[in-house]
Amino acid sequence: QITLKESGPTLVKPTQTLTLTCTFSGFSLSTGGEGVGWIRQPPGKALEWLALIYWDDDKQFSPSLKNRLAITKDTSKNQVVLTMTNMDPVDTATYYCARRRNSQVFAYWGQGTLVTVSS
Amino acid sequence: QTVVTQEPSLTVSPGGTVTLTCASSAGAVTSGYYPNWFQQKPGQAPRALIYGTSNKHSWTPARFSGSLLGGKAALTLSGVQPEDEADYYCLLFYGGAHVFGGGTKLTVL
Repeated sequence: QITLKESGPTLVKPTQTLTLTCTFSGFSLSTGGEGVGWIRQPPGKALEWLALIYWDDDKQFSPSLKNRLAITKDTSKNQVVLTMTNMDPVDTATYYCARRRNSQVFAYWGQGTLVTVSS
Repeated sequence: QTVVTQEPSLTVSPGGTVTLTCASSAGAVTSGYYPNWFQQKPGQAPRALIYGTSNKHSWTPARFSGSLLGGKAALTLSGVQPEDEADYYCLLFYGGAHVFGGGTKLTVL
């Protein structure tokens, strides 16, 4: 059974750095073709892809946010960590992590975690 | 930055057929963009329906199908059920980046 779960702060202040952790089970990020991505969704708005890390440590970022994002993996803990710097109220959103395996992009999703940016 | 455009809203009658489309500002959508489709109901995480233009996941109902149509990616629902009322998002892959469309709100009325 494949599961993913996001964890991290629910409230951050403007200019702070957000760190979110995706803990997953049922697959390994050391297996060829595997990847974990992050997607966010502001309240009432559309999905926005943020970043993705592959089994071989290749990383991809949204061009509009790449200067603020970092993504790492801990294969032994089955975790992927996303950091986003210089948070702003417009970054208030539900943040999801999701699995990518070869051409099956984001077939499995976490439940999401709502992050509010406010002073 | 590439923009992916979907119909903001569509309405369909139960039992009817509806096609949602997904266009790219970069030009015609081809299979090389690996179009994916997702369904999202209120308060829930998105659920994957279609990958690689037309491939269904094991859980995707048979009434959903994906294709390329007139330079766009398309998701067709045949024999629409009330439970198909939801937001639908396409996702295109541009080499190093994934881009979601703005979503289509499908109303079954």
